[in-house]
Amino acid sequence: GAGVSQSPSNKVTEKGKDVELRCDPISGHTALYWYRQSLGQGLEFLIYFQGNSAPDKSGLPSDRFSAERTGGSVSTLTIQRTQQEDSAVYLCASSLGTTTNEKLFFGSGTQLSVL
Amino acid sequence: AQSVTQPDIHITVSEGASLELRCNYSYGATPYLFWYVQSPGQGLQLLLKYFSGDTLVQGIKGFEAEFKRSQSSFNLRKPSVHWSDAAEYFCAVGATGRRALTFGSGTRLQVQP
Repeated sequence: GAGVSQSPSNKVTEKGKDVELRCDPISGHTALYWYRQSLGQGLEFLIYFQGNSAPDKSGLPSDRFSAERTGGSVSTLTIQRTQQEDSAVYLCASSLGTTTNEKLFFGSGTQLSVL
Repeated sequence: AQSVTQPDIHITVSEGASLELRCNYSYGATPYLFWYVQSPGQGLQLLLKYFSGDTLVQGIKGFEAEFKRSQSSFNLRKPSVHWSDAAEYFCAVGATGRRALTFGSGTRLQVQP
């Protein structure tokens, strides 16, 4: 596609429910990142995928959070037993995956609200 | 571990005035430094980046930033602000061997007519 696509754009859920957030990266981009943007705070790194390598999960805040990337393309971020503090904008980004200082292309994000 | 501080949460400038957004970083080696802009309802867009060479970096939309190692700073500047520059601006630092960037908390820019 032309850009990074995220769905849904908004998600309202009840505390304790599971949610899945989807990210479609730019075609040909081997690197994919998930960040979380909480109100008044910066972007918090969650997880990074690069090709077929094991993902860097060092930013996941708890074992309720998980992510997968199928076929090196689409990624799904899953939050189990959601809590109110999980409310945030979840941003996905992709890049070519060739260098450390390369440009990231961000999606518009999924606004998650946990009631 | 690296970190980024953007001391100004919110800045208001008049259209046509000059702009400087502050960014301080903490990292033991030469950092990779970035400025991204997030316009309302849109994803973050790269304005400019620094990783070596000339310490004054030119970016898109008339923005520039200067890397000052002695001050651990990478401030973003624009000589004349346009109403369309109203957005949130994020400074970020990257470390050698780690692809995930560390972002600051952002500075929200408001432009008055």
